[in-house]
Amino acid sequence: NAGVTQTPKFRILKIGQSMTLQCAQDMNHNYMYWYRQDPGMGLKLIYYSVGAGITDKGEVPNGYNVSRSTTEDFPLRLELAAPSQTSVYFCASRLGHYSNQPQHFGDGTRLSIL
Amino acid sequence: AQRVTQPEKLLSVFKGAPVELKCNYSYSGSPELFWYVQYSRQRLQLLLRHISRESIKGFTADLNKGETSFHLKKPFAQEEDSAMYYCALGSSNTGKLIFGQGTTLQVKP
Repeated sequence: NAGVTQTPKFRILKIGQSMTLQCAQDMNHNYMYWYRQDPGMGLKLIYYSVGAGITDKGEVPNGYNVSRSTTEDFPLRLELAAPSQTSVYFCASRLGHYSNQPQHFGDGTRLSIL
Repeated sequence: AQRVTQPEKLLSVFKGAPVELKCNYSYSGSPELFWYVQYSRQRLQLLLRHISRESIKGFTADLNKGETSFHLKKPFAQEEDSAMYYCALGSSNTGKLIFGQGTTLQVKP
């Protein structure tokens, strides 16, 4: 039972490059989320999805794009990497929105933009 | 605006001492509050949710709507409690979470 799987675990990008952070869950969860965690800060929501084909912006969406073509996958795309996007990225999923259903997190992707 | 504040970045206590990690929130409406924990080299995981009124690993948290607080408490800290703790405010219709900045709890032997 893998839960939420994020790939890659680490990546170094040059300014202006693009990449996709992968997130997959095998729990048949409807809700999925992308957060970034900067040093000394809490997690901030980038994008979220309440089901396949539905995505919406979070607190800090600029510079990112997402898609949700299947229930299992929720990739995060950086089109033109900037140093301000250096961060640790966490993907999470949740069965529904009820308060007794917790979010399950992946291990994170540590991304450095140089 | 919805906000979660954890005023302490680091809390250092000795083993056996009581622990209180502070969390204050700003939310118009009925809040859903959670404590998440991240142990070294592990994933972020749910510790407590206010709706369950449960005790997990000896930790409890009571929602105080008058003071808009959801402090995490444990009467006797253990070394294995050393971790990063996040307080989070949930949205009832989307399940989104707003996290505080986190508090690192260091329990010394």
